[in-house]
Amino acid sequence: AQTVTQSQPEMSVQEAETVTLSCTYDTSENNYYLFWYKQPPSRQMILVIRQEAYKQQNATENRFSVNFQKAAKSFSLKISDSQLGDTAMYFCAFIASSNTGKLIFGQGTTLQVKP
Amino acid sequence: DAGITQSPRHKVTETGTPVTLRCHQTENHRYMYWYRQDPGHGLRLIHYSYGVKDTDKGEVSDGYSVSRSKTEDFLLTLESATSSQTSVYFCAISESRGKEKLFFGSGTQLSVL
Repeated sequence: AQTVTQSQPEMSVQEAETVTLSCTYDTSENNYYLFWYKQPPSRQMILVIRQEAYKQQNATENRFSVNFQKAAKSFSLKISDSQLGDTAMYFCAFIASSNTGKLIFGQGTTLQVKP
Repeated sequence: DAGITQSPRHKVTETGTPVTLRCHQTENHRYMYWYRQDPGHGLRLIHYSYGVKDTDKGEVSDGYSVSRSKTEDFLLTLESATSSQTSVYFCAISESRGKEKLFFGSGTQLSVL
């Protein structure tokens, strides 16, 4: 079975600093995609970043970047220059290319950015 | 933002009553999904659809049924609601299989008393 684990239920960071959210996953698949979603208090699910497993280069989107370690099955999210608007719950998610629709989510990490 | 509308936004119902949640999209995407979100579990897939009248079960499908008679609409039905189905329900859509860039609706908060 494929699983996604986020071991940090809650984290906090000072505004303008850098924070890293951890995610590990378990799969026997070789082709898959990994995602980080952000859910602010508005409840809207927002795609932050996406990584294709066959690409060795880590994905980046402005202040957000990932550290993808395929052998270790690790997919952490780094947020640089944290802003108050980054306060949200963050979900790591996985899907195997062979599994239509079966996006598997971690339990979530609540991040609070403090002024 | 992707055109996804969930209705109702909030609903309170009693145990044993039927409930239908609606998801409507204007993107003409082929794939549609229903997830539920519960504390400590993240989001879990209930059912999904890969075309009109084509649906399949997710990991937490017991007690739920779905229907998709048109590309734009995907209905989730709780035939006889139970308190364990109190949750936030999200609809999502995607255009292509495998890459799974999902766009989510705003969610429906369902409380079963």
